[in-house]
Amino acid sequence: YVLTQPPSVSVAPGETARITCDGNNIRSKSVHWYQQKPGQAPVVCIHYDSDRPSGIPERFSGSNSGNTATLTISRVEAGDEADYYCQVWDSTPDHVVFGGGTKLTVL
Amino acid sequence: QVQLLQSGAAVKKPGSSVRVSCKSFGDNFSSYTTNWVRLAPGQGLEWLGRITPMFGSAVYAQKFQGRVTITADESTTTAHMDLTSLRSEDTAIYYCAIRLNPSEAASIDHWGQGTLVTVSS
Repeated sequence: YVLTQPPSVSVAPGETARITCDGNNIRSKSVHWYQQKPGQAPVVCIHYDSDRPSGIPERFSGSNSGNTATLTISRVEAGDEADYYCQVWDSTPDHVVFGGGTKLTVL
Repeated sequence: QVQLLQSGAAVKKPGSSVRVSCKSFGDNFSSYTTNWVRLAPGQGLEWLGRITPMFGSAVYAQKFQGRVTITADESTTTAHMDLTSLRSEDTAIYYCAIRLNPSEAASIDHWGQGTLVTVSS
């Protein structure tokens, strides 16, 4: 199972960033999103398509429909600059899949 | 809350093996799942495999079948990842990461600090 993300997304501060994750009938899967800043371990920022873990700002939201899952970051701040990865589990064979990652640049 | 502490950085020769360890601090080590994920320079996150101690056997990514072995020692609440026949492309930061929810489709909740493995002659 393959997850495809755009390599990069750039937005100005205060704007909205949308990062997509394409996969065949991805709507049938639970999609999780991880934020990874340089030199740090990944942190889950959205799980189960659209749930926000405690401590994650409300500016972060997610959706999943058809063949595309989307991570949306509203009112982007400089501190949001990071790599973002989508992730699902596939049963055939049993394995965890990550998207290739998207580098979010805040202009 | 689970805290994870990984072993230190390692430099290895091509063809050799490496063991990365991950000590868990928290309850119920036997029931949660430890995943191993790596980040190579210029690449994205890549899953190597996982183990849930109470179930015993590990599950591996097809790419690493035969080269990776994941084990868990319940007496020390430590998971280990052994990677053999190392090549330069295995140079990466290796993370252990815990999934608390027993469902395979659940998110990976807690990550170790990472261990840099460098493969160089």
